[in-house]
Amino acid sequence: TQLLEQSPQFLSIQEGENLTVYCNSSSVFSSLQWYRQEPGEGPVLLVTVVTGGEVKKLKRLTFQFGDARKDSSLHITAAQPGDTGLYLCAGDRTGGFKTIFGAGTRLFVKA
Amino acid sequence: GAVVSQHPSWVICKSGTSVKIECRSLDFQATTMFWYRQFPKQSLMLMATSNEGSKATYEQGVEKDKFLINHASLTLSTLTVTSAHPEDSSFYICSAREGGTGGEETQYFGPGTRLLVL
Repeated sequence: TQLLEQSPQFLSIQEGENLTVYCNSSSVFSSLQWYRQEPGEGPVLLVTVVTGGEVKKLKRLTFQFGDARKDSSLHITAAQPGDTGLYLCAGDRTGGFKTIFGAGTRLFVKA
Repeated sequence: GAVVSQHPSWVICKSGTSVKIECRSLDFQATTMFWYRQFPKQSLMLMATSNEGSKATYEQGVEKDKFLINHASLTLSTLTVTSAHPEDSSFYICSAREGGTGGEETQYFGPGTRLLVL
């Protein structure tokens, strides 16, 4: 059972298009992180969201944490080829110790 | 942000040999480090949680005698793949947790070690 469901699993879009990646769960998380991973490298932390309803922006990336802290989304505006990579959401449950990872969304942005 | 290093970055070995991978937190102390395994085009699979000065906690299905973990100091954890076989070939990634304020638990990842067992 996947505790964190990520969708879509794969996305191929043209440069300049917008996209949204979703991360959903039936569990409540005390915090949720988004990572980006390129082939042959470790994941790089993009953002951590902690408060329900929180919205964080990182240049063209907008991250939102659901009010109930069970879901999150990542929106990319005007995608560029440099955004290509594997995007992973990960959550820490209240009282838990292990970080739970979603299956990842593989994004390919064509020039 | 905090930096975590891994060594080696890649290794090729013969079947039956043992391989040691090091994970270091370079600018912070990490009481807890995590070891993950990642297959091509898949997400990270947690193998074990490494606590400084105590035995590692292994996830279900991960053989502790096969994957030996030692966390001897607050900045170093090692993973030894014993008697490696081709099916152990994978991308191994470590991470170190740095405590934060306001309830944030930041986990920083190493660059990974690619293991190929012939």
